[in-house]
Amino acid sequence: DTAVSQTPKYLVTQMGNDKSIKCEQNLGHDTMYWYKQDSKKFLKIMFSYNNKELIINETVPNRFSPKSPDKAHLNLHINSLELGDSAVYFCASSPRDSRTYEQYFGPGTRLTVT
Amino acid sequence: GQSLEQPSEVTAVEGAIVQINCTYQTSGFYGLSWYQQHDGGAPTFLSYNALDGLEETGRFSSFLSRSDSYGYLLLQELQMKDSASYFCAVEGSARQLTFGSGTQLTVLP
Repeated sequence: DTAVSQTPKYLVTQMGNDKSIKCEQNLGHDTMYWYKQDSKKFLKIMFSYNNKELIINETVPNRFSPKSPDKAHLNLHINSLELGDSAVYFCASSPRDSRTYEQYFGPGTRLTVT
Repeated sequence: GQSLEQPSEVTAVEGAIVQINCTYQTSGFYGLSWYQQHDGGAPTFLSYNALDGLEETGRFSSFLSRSDSYGYLLLQELQMKDSASYFCAVEGSARQLTFGSGTQLTVLP
């Protein structure tokens, strides 16, 4: 059984479009995250979310929005896609607050904006 | 804010020992984590240090000195499959992880 899954694995789209990436975890974790990894492999936190609060990294454009229908899902919506949004996006989850350092990552979604 | 520094590349031969250093500056600190990422794969958790000292997990060990804002990952008995990128990550006051830029380890036969 896959612990953290993401769909789609690859996403190719044109500038200006709106797209979503889905994430699900079956680990029973309380906190979920979205990361962006650029072409230089720099891994940057975008959001963290649990049933108590959403923490947004201040550098993330408001074109990006997380949506959590329930504790096991955290989807990423991106509006008006730009060339610079091309990257690999990872979803992750972690156990209770005291163990946020141990995160389990999904396989990633490679987004290419043309 | 937080910043981390680690070497961009390290090369070693099979069977050798390699140390990947990480220095950090942070406004709040809970601990230092290490993650491994193979090309095309997802980061996977290796180890965590909240207190000073050495933590050992099989062939991998991680060390932390809070007073020096410094840590390292030690990989022993290197194997070809250890070729990957290794990231240190600081858990800061917001209980989020800030990752370093990664160290590409190449293990030669």
